[in-house]
Amino acid sequence: EVQLLESGGDLVQPGGSLRLSCAASGFTFSGYAMSWVRQAPGKGLEWVSAISSTGGSTYYADSVKGRFTISRDTSKNTLYLQMNSLRAEDTAVYYCAKEHTPWEGDFDYWGQGTLITVSS
Amino acid sequence: SSELTQDPAVSVALGQTVRITCQGDSLRTYYASWYQQKPGQAPVLVIYGKNNRPSGIPDRFSGSRSGNTASLTITGAQAEDEADYYCNSRDSSGHHLVVFGGGTKLTVL
Repeated sequence: EVQLLESGGDLVQPGGSLRLSCAASGFTFSGYAMSWVRQAPGKGLEWVSAISSTGGSTYYADSVKGRFTISRDTSKNTLYLQMNSLRAEDTAVYYCAKEHTPWEGDFDYWGQGTLITVSS
Repeated sequence: SSELTQDPAVSVALGQTVRITCQGDSLRTYYASWYQQKPGQAPVLVIYGKNNRPSGIPDRFSGSRSGNTASLTITGAQAEDEADYYCNSRDSSGHHLVVFGGGTKLTVL
């Protein structure tokens, strides 16, 4: 059974940093691109970042480029999102998601999400 | 980057057919995927590719595309289909970005 389990959500002050983790199991982690998708309270889904199956390529939404860094550790089957210079508008539930078809943006498994609140 | 546009809300009578649409330039090149999200839950993929359903998704869900518009059709809507529905696709800018539509709240009457 495929499972994605996010952790690291917290209340953080504006300008602060946080690292999210997503522990994957039930599939060959190294074989799939992964993404982070967020959802602000009461709002829609927003794609944040993606990383290739090897980790060699990374992609970011304009809203987080230069502040967030996606990475993966195949030995630990874990996806990460390092978030720096956090802003109030980064407040959201952050989901990690597994891609079904390479680079088609179709996410067949999602974690349960972890909440980031950016507030003083 | 590209944008995908969805109607904010749609309603359907129980057992009837409803179509939820998604418009955007990227859909001329890439297929849309569709997700169902119920309150407090993570999204669930219901349609991907030309018209493919993941295992466990009822066959009343189907997808199609015409020009720059993708559609999700629910034939014989059930009460449990009441949810938010999101479309997404690759961004047509060519930089492996992904774009989501704003979502459609489906009410089953």
